[in-house]
Amino acid sequence: DQQVKQNSPSLSVQEGRISILNCDYTNSMFDYFLWYKKYPAEGPTFLISISSIKDKNEDGRFTVFLNKSAKHLSLHIVPSQPGDSAVYFCAARVRSGNKLVFGAGTILRVKS
Amino acid sequence: IAGITQAPTSQILAAGRRMTLRCTQDMRHNAMYWYRQDLGLGLRLIHYSNTAGTTGKGEVPDGYSVSRANTDDFPLTLASAVPSQTSVYFCASSEHGTTAGTETQYFGPGTRLLVL
Repeated sequence: DQQVKQNSPSLSVQEGRISILNCDYTNSMFDYFLWYKKYPAEGPTFLISISSIKDKNEDGRFTVFLNKSAKHLSLHIVPSQPGDSAVYFCAARVRSGNKLVFGAGTILRVKS
Repeated sequence: IAGITQAPTSQILAAGRRMTLRCTQDMRHNAMYWYRQDLGLGLRLIHYSNTAGTTGKGEVPDGYSVSRANTDDFPLTLASAVPSQTSVYFCASSEHGTTAGTETQYFGPGTRLLVL
């Protein structure tokens, strides 16, 4: 039973447009959420995070939104660039712990 | 060394053989982790260590063992490899604490393992 779900295996977006990656979770004990980006043949790299006490966190072109009532978070990339093409993983932390639960990932392709 | 290194980069292994994947970090992080990445399943935690001298089981620990003799190294051993252990293995580390922000994990480049 996957506690963190990324239901879209892939997403294709035109350069300059907005990319929206979605993530749903089932465990109410998650208190911290992270997005990781992964290029082929490399390890995942941390992108942006949000605490469960917030509903939005912004860092440059990247914004993460959290809707706790819907147990849903999303990552917005504006404007999208070809270099953003990668696999994006959503991850969640169980309250006051350190272990992360990852989603299956979404492949983003930004077309120029 | 900067960050996390893993060795080997890739390996082809006969079923039944023993294999140790190496992981070293130079960030003096308390916690270290081993994940496997499989298509459609994302990253699944195999074992973890919150501090030197302690280890714990993750989501998929069967067939794997770890040790944490010091802060920097966290080897993963497959005692008798099976084809279902074909995967990409990632080591990660974090500062580890109960406050938000310390659980950001930093990943190594991965080891691609093929068990035949």
